[in-house]
Amino acid sequence: AQSVSQHNHHVILSEAASLELGCNYSYGGTVNLFWYVQYPGQHLQLLLKYFSGDPLVKGIKGFEAEFIKSKFSFNLRKPSVQWSDTAEYFCAVNANTGFQKLVFGTGTRLLVSP
Amino acid sequence: DGGITQSPKYLFRKEGQNVTLSCEQNLNHDAMYWYRQDPGQGLRLIYYSQIVNDFQKGDIAEGYSVSREKKESFPLTVTSAQKNPTAFYLCASFSGTGLTGELFFGEGSRLTVL
Repeated sequence: AQSVSQHNHHVILSEAASLELGCNYSYGGTVNLFWYVQYPGQHLQLLLKYFSGDPLVKGIKGFEAEFIKSKFSFNLRKPSVQWSDTAEYFCAVNANTGFQKLVFGTGTRLLVSP
Repeated sequence: DGGITQSPKYLFRKEGQNVTLSCEQNLNHDAMYWYRQDPGQGLRLIYYSQIVNDFQKGDIAEGYSVSREKKESFPLTVTSAQKNPTAFYLCASFSGTGLTGELFFGEGSRLTVL
């Protein structure tokens, strides 16, 4: 069965610091990868996604993620965080097995102090 | 505005009572999902439905039931058999065809069993 690991459960940064959140998945075949974000009091929304092609994916609000197939990783990055990036971030994988069934990681809570 | 509407937003129930959470979407999506979100555990799949009148168990279906009589609606019943029902419940639908789509989420329903 597929699984997704997010190793950082809580991250605290100051504004302007750089961010990298780890995500590893376990599945040997073709995958689609996602990062979702949940801002306080809001619904989950898509930050970025990878289906194929360029392994460096750019998303909304200056976020990007790099798919490294050999490492089964899809880490999320942002060069300079803002207070408004305070949220919970979820990595998800959809194995290419014929139906859309996303498996989510346990999430990383990011707190950005002004 | 297209989207997913979950109701109620907050619900309190006594132990032993069944509870039904509503999920309606006007996005014309075929596939719909119910996830449960618990602190530190991420999102776990309860049930999903690919088309009307069809649904499958997810990873944690015990104690839950669903129906899919209309494309727009996918209600979830939390039965008295669910041992730990207090949680945040998220409904989602999937856009696109095949695997190259994304999940759209509702705002969630927070159930507290007293």
